[in-house]
Amino acid sequence: QQQVKQSPQSLIVQKGGISIINCAYENTAFDYFPWYQQFPGKGPALLIAIRPDVSEKKEGRFTISFNKSAKQFSLHIMDSQPGDSATYFCAASNQAGTALIFGKGTTLSVSS
Amino acid sequence: KAGVTQTPRYLIKTRGQQVTLSCSPISGHRSVSWYQQTPGQGLQFLFEYFSETQRNKGNFPGRFSGRQFSNSRSEMNVSTLELGDSALYLCASSRRQGPGELFFGEGSRLTVL
Repeated sequence: QQQVKQSPQSLIVQKGGISIINCAYENTAFDYFPWYQQFPGKGPALLIAIRPDVSEKKEGRFTISFNKSAKQFSLHIMDSQPGDSATYFCAASNQAGTALIFGKGTTLSVSS
Repeated sequence: KAGVTQTPRYLIKTRGQQVTLSCSPISGHRSVSWYQQTPGQGLQFLFEYFSETQRNKGNFPGRFSGRQFSNSRSEMNVSTLELGDSALYLCASSRRQGPGELFFGEGSRLTVL
């Protein structure tokens, strides 16, 4: 019940295309859902986050869509660029806990 | 503003040894969390410290321990190293306890031979 399942494991998208990464969770107590981006040799960095009181959040080319009833959330990267090539992790936590439960990650390659 | 600093960046140990990793959080951040990253298991929460107290602990054996000092700097220790402890150990800091943006360091890569 503490797992966050992420798919796909890897993704290849052409420059200018849309990248979509999906995550699903079981624990209904989760109420904070961030996405982190990690480049090789670097630590993860927060990209965008959402709380379940909204169904969508957009920041620039990055959008989180959240479906509370399905217990799913996804990251959409519009107009994908080669510089977006990285590993993306979804995560979840709740107010009572301080630990982030991460998905296994998606390696995105954007071809030019 | 300096980011999260972790030392050492790379280290090699042999089975049975112990290791201590250090983390200096961003100035003003009082919460420090540690995560283990491996190709197979991904990012897994180890523990969190806030105001020198361990606030939360992940599902790791007692060989993994940590502490936080009054200046918010933190150390984690792994005793009796096993081959499976080879991983990237990431430290993250945040202003306060609870869910919110974590700022990660670049990690300490531990190899156990």
